[in-house]
Parts: sequence; structure tokens; C-alpha cells
Amino acid sequence: GQQLNQSPQSMFIQEGEDVSMNCTSSSIFNTWLWYKQDPGEGPVLLIALYKAGELTSNGRLTAQFGITRKDSFLNISASIPSDVGIYFCAGRSGNTPLVFGKGTRLSVIA
Amino acid sequence: EAGVVQSPRYKIIEKKQPVAFWCNPISGHNTLYWYLQNLGQGPELLIRYENEEAVDDSQLPKDRFSAERLKGVDSTLKIQPAELGDSAVYLCASSSSLNEQFFGPGTRLTVL
Repeated sequence: GQQLNQSPQSMFIQEGEDVSMNCTSSSIFNTWLWYKQDPGEGPVLLIALYKAGELTSNGRLTAQFGITRKDSFLNISASIPSDVGIYFCAGRSGNTPLVFGKGTRLSVIA
Repeated sequence: EAGVVQSPRYKIIEKKQPVAFWCNPISGHNTLYWYLQNLGQGPELLIRYENEEAVDDSQLPKDRFSAERLKGVDSTLKIQPAELGDSAVYLCASSSSLNEQFFGPGTRLTVL
């Protein structure tokens, strides 16, 4: 079945630093989604990507749909303490179910 | 607009007992999903409904898990009997398309 490799597993950064994380797939996807999950809550959708090469921003967050359609990237600029949480990538191809990565746990040191 | 509502938020039961979770999706969302999330993992799909029809339940362990969405709105997920390994967070999500899914806060189940 489809597998997603999300990296890094965890990150510790200083407030104000930029953050990059990525996700790679074993197969071609036509949709990439990025979610953030806070403790005790469900994942919240951050950015949705539907086209290879697409670059989409949401405030300080920017995500890209890789040209090969097998990867996606999420960047956070000028991190702040409330960016702390677990970031999940998710993707799908055709009508297959959404597949989630294992998450990147982000910690921000003030 | 109200989000996806789930109850209870937390449930602690002894093994072999039954348990049920309830979900009310965002108004107007025809598609409803139940996911299982283990600690340190991403959500994994258990079942997907289009209105009242279960269109993808291939990952639902049917020997002990069951779900229903009788009127095509709210849904119930049941486990009977629960096992120790069922301890996890059970997430409900809904969407008006196959892509952008909106999640509820989840029910954290602990089986003792």
C-alpha cells in the first residue's frame, strides 16, 4: 500500500528561526494536505495542494507540491511559541483514502 | 460555523466491555470518516461514509468494531468487546469533497 515518509520526526528550534519539513511518497499523489495537531485536539487543516509544482502560502506557512508528485514540503518562517505542535502531511491519489505521515513534532524555545 | 463534534472526549473502560463513540459532522458535509490514531502515529482510516452508505470499511476490524450512520448525518462507532490494544484516540472527520477533511477533537479511549 501507499506509504508516506515524513521528516524530521522532531525538531527543536529557537523562536524566530525558520522551519522546514517534508514528506515523500512511494507512489504518485494528486493531493497533498498539511495539518497541525495540538495536544488533545484533532488535526487542523493548514494548506491544501492539488497541482504539481503548486506553491501555496497561509500566513507564515508555505507548502509546495513537488514536481515529481511524490513529495511535498512545508516551511514555517519566523517561528513563534504557538507554532508548537505536531505537523502531519497527508496525501492521496485518485479515489484512494487519505494517507497520513507519522508527523513532525515541533518544539520552539523562546 | 460549528465544527465536527465528538463525544465523549475521554473514556476509560475495562477490557471486554463495550464502548461507543458519537460524531456529529459539519452541517452539509455528506462524507464522514472515522480514524484511529495511535500514540506517535498519524490517523488511519477505519471507515468512510457517503451519506448513510459505508463506501470504504476495508480497514475496520469487523469482528469487534461496528459503525452506523442511519440518517446520513451523525454517526456512532462501537467496539464490543474492547481489548487492551484498542487504547487510542478515535477521530471523526467530515468533508464536502474527497480532499479537505475537517477533524473533530477526538475521543481518547483507555482500556484497562
